[in-house]
Amino acid sequence: AAGVIQSPRHLIKEKRETATLKCYPIPRHDTVYWYQQGPGQDPQFLISFYEKMQSDKGSIPDRFSAQQFSDYHSELNMSSLELGDSALYFCASGRIRTPLPYEQYFGPGTRLTVT
Amino acid sequence: KQEVTQIPAALSVPEGENLVLNCSFTDSAIYNLQWFRQDPGKGLTSLLLIQSSQREQTSGRLNASLDKSSGRSTLYIAASQPGDSATYLCAVRFTNAGGTSYGKLTFGQGTILTVHP
Repeated sequence: AAGVIQSPRHLIKEKRETATLKCYPIPRHDTVYWYQQGPGQDPQFLISFYEKMQSDKGSIPDRFSAQQFSDYHSELNMSSLELGDSALYFCASGRIRTPLPYEQYFGPGTRLTVT
Repeated sequence: KQEVTQIPAALSVPEGENLVLNCSFTDSAIYNLQWFRQDPGKGLTSLLLIQSSQREQTSGRLNASLDKSSGRSTLYIAASQPGDSATYLCAVRFTNAGGTSYGKLTFGQGTILTVHP
């Protein structure tokens, strides 16, 4: 079965650089979520999109922005990177309009290292 | 504030032992609850999902229970094996005042499980 695809899997950037993370949800899923997991921490919700519109916003810094495109893939853009942005970034997808128990399916994550 | 707490933070058991991981949440208005497994530096593997209307779910050696009124869930692992060693995360999808949910998950800090031979 198709899973959530994230690219790149690993990314190394220097301070003050920009980074773009990509997420390709499971086909026919209408919702995408972004989470950030710092070293030794639990995943923290950043932002979500439903049908290409922002549906919820969490602890996402102003330096970050995200969007969902017409093909439902999503991109997380990160500017003026700081050392503290080093983390594992997860994308998850789900389908709100479903009679089945709603479940979020997580991608493998992108490990961002800022030096 | 809607929060999720897991105890213990770490657990070390001998192989073959049955064990229980605990998760508590501050708001009983939940849509569902998911248990995940995470290996070091890896992604999240969904183990079980319990809807708010359910009391428990089972998958193989795993059994998860939900007591919404007391704000608690437990993950029971039977006959533990060294391959079960990982971090186990509890995540809750809370509902809003209107009874719907935006879908985001609120995670606990996780329990690091080590099963030694």
